[in-house]
Amino acid sequence: GENVEQHPSTLSVQEGDSAVIKCTYSDSASNYFPWYKQELGKRPQLIIDIRSNVGEKKDQRIAVTLNKTAKHFSLHITETQPEDSAVYFCAACRMNTGFQKLVFGTGTRLLVSP
Amino acid sequence: DVKVTQSSRYLVKRTGEKVFLECVQDMDHENMFWYRQDPGLGLRLIYFSYDVKMKEKGDIPEGYSVSREKKERFSLILESASTNQTSMYLCASSLGAMRETQYFGPGTRLLVL
Repeated sequence: GENVEQHPSTLSVQEGDSAVIKCTYSDSASNYFPWYKQELGKRPQLIIDIRSNVGEKKDQRIAVTLNKTAKHFSLHITETQPEDSAVYFCAACRMNTGFQKLVFGTGTRLLVSP
Repeated sequence: DVKVTQSSRYLVKRTGEKVFLECVQDMDHENMFWYRQDPGLGLRLIYFSYDVKMKEKGDIPEGYSVSREKKERFSLILESASTNQTSMYLCASSLGAMRETQYFGPGTRLLVL
């Protein structure tokens, strides 16, 4: 089955710096890669996702890149702000008709200091 | 706006008790999921359901069972709670039909003594 590894487990940056979180996956048939953000005491929420037919996707200050050959994908946050502080989870899945079983990474705790 | 609710935010149970965790979604989603979240281990899938009365084992189903009698409701059952089941339990749902976004509930923090 799919296995997703995520690094680093913790990341501390200064406000305004960039942050990069990396994930690798094992199943070459995986074709959907979402990122979820979980603020302290709150539920995880989708922030961005990418499909395997695209190499990069941007949404304002966040971007995700995908390297299918190397089987890794990364989350990039530019101009970090204190409200970016949260735990970020990557995930991977093989899209099937009807349902999607996501396999999550172990999470990265991002701390943005003012 | 999708709303996923869970029956309890905090729960304290004794070893050996039968525990029911309930999840309700109000957006007619096909798929529902139960995860447990533990520090350093991320979100691990316990069970999921893609239709009423249908269920599939996730990655860590041992010690758990589920029930989905109605489309909007997905229950997680701990037949005989053990201390190693102390955890945060998160329910999620997704529309299905290749609509992938999972919407999570607020979580239930379960303590088994």
